[in-house]
Amino acid sequence: NAGVTQTPKFQVLKTGQSMTLQCAQDMNHNSMYWYRQDPGMGLRLIYYSASEGTTDKGEVPNGYNVSRLNKREFSLRLESAAPSQTSVYFCASSDTGTLYNEQFFGPGTRLTVL
Amino acid sequence: LAKTTQPISMDSYEGQEVNITCSHNNIATNDYITWYQQFPSQGPRFIIQGYKTKVTNEVASLFIPADRKSSTLSLPRVSLSDTAVYYCLVGDLINAGKSTFGDGTTLTVKP
Repeated sequence: NAGVTQTPKFQVLKTGQSMTLQCAQDMNHNSMYWYRQDPGMGLRLIYYSASEGTTDKGEVPNGYNVSRLNKREFSLRLESAAPSQTSVYFCASSDTGTLYNEQFFGPGTRLTVL
Repeated sequence: LAKTTQPISMDSYEGQEVNITCSHNNIATNDYITWYQQFPSQGPRFIIQGYKTKVTNEVASLFIPADRKSSTLSLPRVSLSDTAVYYCLVGDLINAGKSTFGDGTTLTVKP
């Protein structure tokens, strides 16, 4: 099992450009999450999806959109990138509702917006 | 949402036991307490989760008092490889998105 995979690993954008971060999990989890982590800080939840076909805003959703394409895949889109979106983006998944709601994280995407 | 408070940083030496305390005064009845570990340039990794009293696994113990307003992660005999950031989360198991990561505790283990 690959677990949670994210692409790309690194990306540099210019202000105003758009891009989509891809995330996939092979653990048959029902919940998926997108976080951002700024240098020296904790993770902040951008969006989450409790199940296929549903998405909800987290703590910092402005400037982002998401798509839960199917049970495996959850993408994050930046429509018009801004320097304030320079961060490391982590995708995670979990089997919500089981005894242990353990989140499994991907390796992250390091995004720089110039 | 239950807000958590942890020390910003802690230092220890190899072989010592480390206890990291998290305060969560407004924890709800359905909330569980979960701890994650994060190494530089990696995503967080689950360590342990509990609801009340004491939980132990192969890497750590979690102590939760009766009022559940705080919890303590205990790492026995730490090594240099335990240097990492440790996060305490509080949230229920059903509704995704109700758990939030704070800024964590940076543990530095010295030789």
